[in-house]
Amino acid sequence: GAGVSQTPSNKVTEKGKYVELRCDPISGHTALYWYRQSLGQGPEFLIYFQGTGAADDSGLPNDRFFAVRPEGSVSTLKIQRTERGDSAVYLCASSPNSYNEQFFGPGTRLTVL
Amino acid sequence: ELKVEQNPLFLSMQEGKNYTIYCNYSTTSDRLYWYRQDPGKSLESLFVLLSNGAVKQEGRLMASLDTKARLSTLHITAAVHDLSATYFCAVNSAGANSKLTFGKGITLSVRP
Repeated sequence: GAGVSQTPSNKVTEKGKYVELRCDPISGHTALYWYRQSLGQGPEFLIYFQGTGAADDSGLPNDRFFAVRPEGSVSTLKIQRTERGDSAVYLCASSPNSYNEQFFGPGTRLTVL
Repeated sequence: ELKVEQNPLFLSMQEGKNYTIYCNYSTTSDRLYWYRQDPGKSLESLFVLLSNGAVKQEGRLMASLDTKARLSTLHITAAVHDLSATYFCAVNSAGANSKLTFGKGITLSVRP
């Protein structure tokens, strides 16, 4: 079956611009997670949704980062006033519920010039 | 704060030999995961370890968990080139939601 998909696969933007990254989870998965992976590092947690609500957003680095999941399926990670330090691979994962294994998407590589 | 440490960070392996890599974590956890990542690719789930003494095997890889020592090991039997990749372990905080804390990863390189 279809796995987690993320679009775009690559995004290059200029410092100060706004970007949106999309995640389509596995159908029926109620839990959705965003992580950020910098070069040479392990993924770092950003935010977790259970259904439509953000159950834990403690990993969002600052108020420039925001994520939504309005219908409990697709999620969008939004970054305002991008900075060069935001450059990383943004990974999305989904899970049947919050106590099951997480399945990761291919990631979006964000480059801020 | 939950911290996950992996060692070594890089391991050059000779084909056909056996090796062990380690993951230790700082606080009680419900679950421990091992993931594989090839360069430029996403994370592929290898093992989920749920309880003390759990052992899982898949091909040349065997993972075990000691919750009292807060330690997981990944044993590689007769290394082959296809095992070259970066291996991450990840844990969640016991009783919390399932957000994962990852280690920095161990890069394995198998040479002939």
